[in-house]
Amino acid sequence: QLQLQESGPGLVKPSETLSLTCTVSGGSISSSSHYWGWIRQPPGKGLEWIGSIYYTGDIYNKPSLKSRVTISVDTSNNQFSLTLNSVTAADTAVYYCAREFNSSADYWGPGTLVTVSS
Amino acid sequence: QSALTQPPSASGSPGQSVTISCTGTSSDVGGYKFVSWYQQRPGKAPKLMIYEVTKRPSGVPDRFSGSKSGITASLTVSGLQAEDEADYYCSSHAGSNNPHVLFGGGTKLTVL
Repeated sequence: QLQLQESGPGLVKPSETLSLTCTVSGGSISSSSHYWGWIRQPPGKGLEWIGSIYYTGDIYNKPSLKSRVTISVDTSNNQFSLTLNSVTAADTAVYYCAREFNSSADYWGPGTLVTVSS
Repeated sequence: QSALTQPPSASGSPGQSVTISCTGTSSDVGGYKFVSWYQQRPGKAPKLMIYEVTKRPSGVPDRFSGSKSGITASLTVSGLQAEDEADYYCSSHAGSNNPHVLFGGGTKLTVL
């Protein structure tokens, strides 16, 4: 059974960089059919797609976040990562990693809350 | 890249059917067959219920069905059960030159 698990700091200071890693187990991140994505959800609000990456490094990003977002993949460790720079309180959210195909996310991590606060 | 439009709430009694709409534009919902629906219970990660407009992943009851007409997609839940009470989100592929995914704002489904 495929499993995804987010990891990273739960607290980030304003103007600094948020960094998260998603570890994939029970399957290979080098799957030819899937992208690997990041989605976030501010407390009490809806879902927001951030971006996704193919194992070759091909990336799709949400246009409004593109200038602040970097997504990378580490096939040797079956992981992919998200960095979001210049964070503000508006970036406080539960961050999910997910497996994607045809713009659908069929497997999700449990999510990790990242709070931006000094 | 505005979010897709969903009604904030919907409700129905056990056994009834409820339909949740998701309205976009010709650049997203209307332009692609890649519309999905997710169920999210409090404190949990979303669960994929419908993909590619009408398809159900293995294990999703056939009480859940999806459709699309023009720029509006719909999720219908038939034979409502108490366990169906949750938030539902639609999503769609968008943008031919800069591909990305849009989500709807979410609909809180209450089983009366």
